[in-house]
Amino acid sequence: KQEVTQIPAALSVPEGENLVLNCSFTDSAIYNLQWFRQDPGKGLTSLLLIQSSQREQTSGRLNASLDKSSGRSTLYIAASQPGDSATYLCAVHTGKLIFGQGTTLQVKP
Amino acid sequence: GAGVSQSPSNKVTEKGKDVELRCDPISGHTALYWYRQRLGQGLEFLIYFQGNSAPDKSGLPSDRFSAERTGESVSTLTIQRTQQEDSAVYLCASSLVPGDQETQYFGPGTRLLVL
Repeated sequence: KQEVTQIPAALSVPEGENLVLNCSFTDSAIYNLQWFRQDPGKGLTSLLLIQSSQREQTSGRLNASLDKSSGRSTLYIAASQPGDSATYLCAVHTGKLIFGQGTTLQVKP
Repeated sequence: GAGVSQSPSNKVTEKGKDVELRCDPISGHTALYWYRQRLGQGLEFLIYFQGNSAPDKSGLPSDRFSAERTGESVSTLTIQRTQQEDSAVYLCASSLVPGDQETQYFGPGTRLLVL
């Protein structure tokens, strides 16, 4: 059974710091991995989608990597801003999306 | 264009009552998904529609839960005889076509509280 784990559960950093969010999964047989952002009272916004054949994807200040063999992905956020404060979810696609429990990020001005 | 919409945004009901949650996907999206997020937990997959058919219902937690989709558009998730453990945010997502290459677009969710 596929399980997705995210560490840490919560993170607080001062504005301007670079940071890394971690995601691990137990079964490497995935189609893709996605990182989402969830703001309070709102739905999920897709940030990055990495196909199983890819190693990384970049969008602006975000960079996501995927190492299928070790069952790990990281989301790197450069030069964090208060507007980055949200819960970040990773999900693996195995025919359906299986989500981790998220990392709640607070970026302090 | 309009995104995925869900209604109601909030629902409070008494234990034992039936509730219906509605999802309007992005126009033209053939795939529709329902997820549940209980407090402090991750999102759980419930059911997936391709067109009006549901190839994967594996996530429905009990026979009190059912869903339908009509006109390859609107979907309704029905929970009969609600229980307190049904309290959660119910999220709907749609994608242009089913498959691993497609991003799923999520609605804002319906917050259900069963008293």
